[in-house]
Amino acid sequence: QVQLQESGPRLVKPSETLSLTCTVSSDSIKNYFLSWIRQPPGKGLEWIGYIYKDGSTRYNPSLKSRVSVSVDRSKNQFSLKVTSATAADTAVYYCASGSAAAWELFHYWGQGTTVTVSS
Amino acid sequence: DIVMTQSPESLAVSLGERATINCKSSQSVLNSINNKNYLAWYQQKAGQPPKVLIYWASTRESGVPDRVSGSGSGADFTLTISSLQAEDVATYYCQQYHIAPWTFGQGTKVEIK
Repeated sequence: QVQLQESGPRLVKPSETLSLTCTVSSDSIKNYFLSWIRQPPGKGLEWIGYIYKDGSTRYNPSLKSRVSVSVDRSKNQFSLKVTSATAADTAVYYCASGSAAAWELFHYWGQGTTVTVSS
Repeated sequence: DIVMTQSPESLAVSLGERATINCKSSQSVLNSINNKNYLAWYQQKAGQPPKVLIYWASTRESGVPDRVSGSGSGADFTLTISSLQAEDVATYYCQQYHIAPWTFGQGTKVEIK
């Protein structure tokens, strides 16, 4: 069973950079799409972006200019950075992984981490 | 972007009765090369991450009870819970993974009547 765990600061000041890391327990990091998804309080799910095994990335156009996803396969980790954070970036942030059944699917999820943007 | 529209937004069903959730995409999510619909359904219970129930529109995830089923093709999809149980109380989301940006429906909240 693949396990994912998000980590990073829970409180970010406005205009600063939100940074999170996802540690993945298996070879998912080498084979599938690795995504970040967020959920503002009381709202629905928003895909932020992914990184694929070939290092290619794709981002949601709504966030594209402020977002980057990177991977460190030696540590089985991938990371998210959101620059110029505002209160609208306050959300539960999830990392998710595909699987052999469907590389692009959000098959496995972390438990999520709540990030608040506030001074 | 492909817009996913779910209906209804909320649903109250008696225990043992059928619950049906619809999902329409603004364009087809069927890949004509492999004939697969890139459509998934997720269940999210309060305070938990979403959990995949159905992918490829109708493939049930391992461990998901067979009272849960997915159907449809192209741009119209349905999630059916044939006999609602107390543990099915949750919000359900459809999601397309055919064309980035991958997008979710707005969610359907299912409650017990």
